Amino acid sequence: DAEITQSPRHKITETGRQVTLACHQTWNHNNMFWYRQDLGHGLRLIHYSYGVHDTNKGEVSDGYSVSRSNTEDLPLTLESAASSQTSVYFCASSRDRANEQFFGPGTRLTVL
Amino acid sequence: AQSVTQLDSQVPVFEEAPVELRCNYSSSVSVYLFWYVQYPNQGLQLLLKYLSGSTLVKGINGFEAEFNKSQTSFHLRKPSVHISDTAEYFCAVIQAWGTNAGKSTFGDGTTLTVKP
Repeated sequence: DAEITQSPRHKITETGRQVTLACHQTWNHNNMFWYRQDLGHGLRLIHYSYGVHDTNKGEVSDGYSVSRSNTEDLPLTLESAASSQTSVYFCASSRDRANEQFFGPGTRLTVL
Repeated sequence: AQSVTQLDSQVPVFEEAPVELRCNYSSSVSVYLFWYVQYPNQGLQLLLKYLSGSTLVKGINGFEAEFNKSQTSFHLRKPSVHISDTAEYFCAVIQAWGTNAGKSTFGDGTTLTVKP
């Protein structure tokens, strides 16, 4: 069955370190998204991509970057982790831009 | 710009009682509307969606929602809840077309707690 996976599921890192969270989908979807979920804020869009080599900033993109070298993967990089980036991160993909998104299981990131 | 407001952050209800989770939105362009459910330590999964057509939309697990364009609302309802419906529910809008087609905005979520 097609799916979307995230790794690692849990990560503890230190302030200032570079961290990369992986997202892999086997639906062959063109559209992929990264969100962070914080208590009281719901899901906020970090970055998104509508195809290979396409990346766009969301509403909370500062301190994060993405690159899209193939259809299946959209890794999220925290260039220099900060305590404010402690959160749960969700990756999602969709077949059509303006349609339902399929979510991964999430990565819980703690920055000490 | 678009925004989503879920009017209740927490909704406690007894088993087999009806429930309504309220969602209002604002947008200067046409949007599609969605409800997602999140069980503890899991990702979000789609409950139902409104793209066009009938304003009453039926989803999984006995949930339904009604799109009201004049009131810019998309409230979620279930006539009789079960313990297993305890979860976090998110309302979301996606811009339907234009230069920002596909731009998504989520509400802050409503925690539904079903008590025996």
